[in-house]
Amino acid sequence: AQTVTQSQPEMSVQEAETVTLSCTYDTSENNYYLFWYKQPPSRQMILVIRQEAYKQQNATENRFSVNFQKAAKSFSLKISDSQLGDTAMYFCAFMKRSGGGADGLTFGKGTHLIIQP
Amino acid sequence: SAVISQKPSRDICQRGTSLTIQCQVDSQVTMMFWYRQQPGQSLTLIATANQGSEATYESGFVIDKFPISRPNLTFSTLTVSNMSPEDSSIYLCSVVGGPSHNEQFFGPGTRLTVL
Repeated sequence: AQTVTQSQPEMSVQEAETVTLSCTYDTSENNYYLFWYKQPPSRQMILVIRQEAYKQQNATENRFSVNFQKAAKSFSLKISDSQLGDTAMYFCAFMKRSGGGADGLTFGKGTHLIIQP
Repeated sequence: SAVISQKPSRDICQRGTSLTIQCQVDSQVTMMFWYRQQPGQSLTLIATANQGSEATYESGFVIDKFPISRPNLTFSTLTVSNMSPEDSSIYLCSVVGGPSHNEQFFGPGTRLTVL
């Protein structure tokens, strides 16, 4: 079984600053995917960014980027030029790569990110 | 990504009763999942809803308590049976999609309160 750990229950930064959310995981699998999801107060889960474990290049989506360190089993999310709309819970998630299709996600406990005006 | 809807969006129920939650997708999808998010907590996988066969449940979840149906590739239901206040949670369905069919997209969730 795999575990996902987010050690920062809450973070607060000023608007326009850069913030990094940490995530570590533990697994014996070699083929897997890692995700960051955002959950604003509306409770809708929004996929922010995805990383495939077999790719060494870090994923980037506009202001969001990851630092994926496979050997260290670390997967941090960097948000640049933070905006008020980035205020939300952020969940790190793991998914085993399955030959029969996708598996369910294992989530960390989440980090509550607050962007201050 | 697929458009996913859930009904009801919220409900308040009495203990001992059952509630069926529906998940509808606007396109055919192979994989569907059900998750629970207890108050102030993260998401926990309940089961994989398999089309044409019995759902696959995660440890700690059983069919008698959370029966699931998946009659076709666009629809699934989750029933929360014989409810207690501990079942008060948000229940979310998800589907697999994306260019490589390895991203999960979530419905808006059903907020259940059991009195």
